[in-house]
Amino acid sequence: EVQLVESGGGLVQPGRSLRLSCAASGFTFDDYAMHWVRQAPGKGLEWVSGISWNSGSIGYADSVKGRFTISRDNAKNSLYLQMNSLRAEDTALYYCAKAKAVAGTIAIFDYWGQGTLVTVSS
Amino acid sequence: DIQMTQSPSSLSASVGDRVTITCQASQDISNYLNWYQQKPGKAPKLLIYDASNLETGVPSRFSGSGSGTDFTFTISSLQPEDIATYYCQQYDNLQITFGQGTRLEIK
Repeated sequence: EVQLVESGGGLVQPGRSLRLSCAASGFTFDDYAMHWVRQAPGKGLEWVSGISWNSGSIGYADSVKGRFTISRDNAKNSLYLQMNSLRAEDTALYYCAKAKAVAGTIAIFDYWGQGTLVTVSS
Repeated sequence: DIQMTQSPSSLSASVGDRVTITCQASQDISNYLNWYQQKPGKAPKLLIYDASNLETGVPSRFSGSGSGTDFTFTISSLQPEDIATYYCQQYDNLQITFGQGTRLEIK
């Protein structure tokens, strides 16, 4: 059974940093691209970032480019999101999502975690 | 960036009704269009990928069609468990955007 478990969320002050993790199990992690998608309270879905199976292809939404960094450790079956210079508008539930294919450009999200909540507030 | 215009934003229908949601892309995205269902307090669930392919395990009352800029999602016979918010999502060379969502309610 595919499982994606996010962690690392919490309350953080504007301008500070936070690192999210996603632990994957139940599938061959290094066969698939992975993504982060967020959802602000009461709002819709927003893609944040994605990474191909070998980290060779990486993309970011314009809203986080230059502030967030996605990475993965295939040996640890883990996905990460380093978030710097956080802003109030980054407040959201952050989901880890598995892509249906290996290429980072094939963004079909067939499994999702339950999310970790990030709140940016002073 | 490619903008996705999803309509309607909310919809009320009766059990057994045929329900249709549309999504329009601001430029040609071929068939790179997916549909998700999200129930309150839950993560989204993939229903349709690449415009018309039904994800494994998803009931056949759900379907999708379209290509280029205009796409349609249909529930052929609405069931009580289909109450949720539905999102379209395009992927074009790692610039991924979602529609605004359609909140579906039972009349």
